[in-house]
Amino acid sequence: ETGVTQSPTHLIKTRGQQVTLRCSSQSGHNTVSWYQQALGQGPQFIFQYYREEENGRGNFPPRFSGLQFPNYSSELNVNALELDDSALYLCASSRDSGQGIYEQYFGPGTRLTVT
Amino acid sequence: GDSVTQMEGPVTLSEEAFLTINCTYTATGYPSLFWYVQYPGEGLQLLLKATKADDKGSNKGFEATYRKETTSFHLEKGSVQVSDSAVYFCALSNTGNQFYFGTGTSLTVIP
Repeated sequence: ETGVTQSPTHLIKTRGQQVTLRCSSQSGHNTVSWYQQALGQGPQFIFQYYREEENGRGNFPPRFSGLQFPNYSSELNVNALELDDSALYLCASSRDSGQGIYEQYFGPGTRLTVT
Repeated sequence: GDSVTQMEGPVTLSEEAFLTINCTYTATGYPSLFWYVQYPGEGLQLLLKATKADDKGSNKGFEATYRKETTSFHLEKGSVQVSDSAVYFCALSNTGNQFYFGTGTSLTVIP
């Protein structure tokens, strides 16, 4: 069983630029969630995708957007990068078990640095 | 809104010492509760979970009991090892799959 993978591992961008991060979900999982983890903090929920539709969003501005593809992989796009966007971005996948609360399995993250 | 409050670290223990990391939560309804562990340079790994009141989650010698009356889910281990050194996150999930995480507690175990 293949786990959650993310690319790239590290990324350096300049303020104002745009970035795309990618995530492949674990085999058999149809839901992907994205989190932002600032240094020394816990992960903060950005949004979730289920069956290619956004299925919940945290307190992040519209310049954070995403996509989910038919194979359940996902992208996180961030426009107009700001210095405070520097963080570890985590992707987590889960399987719709129909029981309401689904375990999330995390990828290793993408470390984004904005200069 | 839903939230998790974790005991602040860092925590430093000698090998074979007893570990407790406190976690309390605020939530509507009946959330599921989780402990995740993050090793240096890695993503989060699920350590244990409990889905209803009085449930005890356990894994790799770690335990936590879902206490609804005190809204707590404290993590315990009877005898820590150097390999347990990591950051531990308490989390909850209510409806909708969104997870709320605490700020994390860094544990260092010294030989």
